[in-house]
Amino acid sequence: AQKITQTQPGMFVQEKEAVTLDCTYDTSDPSYGLFWYKQPSSGEMIFLIYQGSYDQQNATEGRYSLNFQKARKSANLVISASQLGDSAMYFCAMRDDFGNEKLTFGTGTRLTIIP
Amino acid sequence: DTGVSQDPRHKITKRGQNVTFRCDPISEHNRLYWYRQTLGQGPEFLTYFQNEAQLEKSRLLSDRFSAERPKGSFSTLEIQRTEQGDSAMYLCATSPSGTTDTQYFGPGTRLTVL
Repeated sequence: AQKITQTQPGMFVQEKEAVTLDCTYDTSDPSYGLFWYKQPSSGEMIFLIYQGSYDQQNATEGRYSLNFQKARKSANLVISASQLGDSAMYFCAMRDDFGNEKLTFGTGTRLTIIP
Repeated sequence: DTGVSQDPRHKITKRGQNVTFRCDPISEHNRLYWYRQTLGQGPEFLTYFQNEAQLEKSRLLSDRFSAERPKGSFSTLEIQRTEQGDSAMYLCATSPSGTTDTQYFGPGTRLTVL
């Protein structure tokens, strides 16, 4: 069974600073995908970034980058130059690349950006 | 708007009533997923469709829950004889058929059972 662990229930960060949100995972599958989603108070899950288990380079999408350390089974999200609009819940998720490819989510980290 | 849409956005019902939610996927997305998210938790998988075929159901999906995707386009999730424990956000996500494709979520339906 797959498992995602997010150990930071909440974080406070000064505007314009960088922030790292932690995510560790556990799986016995050789092929999997790792995702980060943002969930504002409105409730919609917004896709941020994806990392495949066989990708050699860390994924980047604008101000988002994923620090993928396969041996440590970690997939931390780095947000550079944080903005007030980054305040939200952030979820790490893993996709099973075999079978139905459902997502398994962690419990999330609530990020608050301080002006 | 070409994203995933869900209707209604909010639903308040009394215990014992039946409710039905609808999800309209992104055009040409073959895969459709339903998830449930309770307060303070991440979403949990409920069921999955590949076109019109329902291929997997979670053990979370009791016999009071039923989902359909009759023509491989929109999907409905029905809960019969609702219980207070059914109160949650119900999220729909869709993706194309490739194995590395991202799931895109709708805005969700927030259900409150009184």
